[in-house]
Amino acid sequence: KAGVTQTPRYLIKTRGQQVTLSCSPISGHRSVSWYQQTPGQGLQFLFEYFSETQRNKGNFPGRFSGRQFSNSRSEMNVSTLELGDSALYLCASSLGPDNEQFFGPGTRLTVL
Amino acid sequence: QKEVEQNSGPLSVPEGAIASLNCTYSDRVSQSFFWYRQYSGKSPELIMSIYSNGDKEDGRFTAQLNKASQYVSLLIRDSQPSDSATYLCAVNGGFKTIFGAGTRLFVKA
Repeated sequence: KAGVTQTPRYLIKTRGQQVTLSCSPISGHRSVSWYQQTPGQGLQFLFEYFSETQRNKGNFPGRFSGRQFSNSRSEMNVSTLELGDSALYLCASSLGPDNEQFFGPGTRLTVL
Repeated sequence: QKEVEQNSGPLSVPEGAIASLNCTYSDRVSQSFFWYRQYSGKSPELIMSIYSNGDKEDGRFTAQLNKASQYVSLLIRDSQPSDSATYLCAVNGGFKTIFGAGTRLFVKA
């Protein structure tokens, strides 16, 4: 069974640009969560999607957004990038919102 | 107060010893509890999940949950150098999973 895949694996952007990250969950999983991981802040919850609906959102500015498609694949978008957005962005999928989550390899975003 | 708290460590134990990792959480309505292991440069890997009070054993790992005390722990028996990693406690409730900052474990050969 294929695991969670994330693309791209690495990204370098400059301040002010926008970026879109993609996540394909494990087959049959309907819930996708996104996290930002930095050395100083650890794993911070961004948002969770279930059945194409955002069910919860973490404490991040509106520049961070996401969506989920009917095949459960998800994308997150960050607009007007800031230096502080440099981080590892992790996607995790689960059967449902309260189930075990399985992480993808992450997308390493560097903002210059 | 942080929602999920862990001692950041590092926790250092000799090979073959028991490593004990602890976690407390603040949201009483939390229903699902997880332990993840994260090696440097890698994404978190699920070790254990626990949903009801008591102990749950899986190989060398035992998770313990006490909802009244809002406390979750992970015991690693016969610790191996390959267990050296950061261990993350995660608590789920209300379409949201909150992770602790993690405890760094070093197992000395």
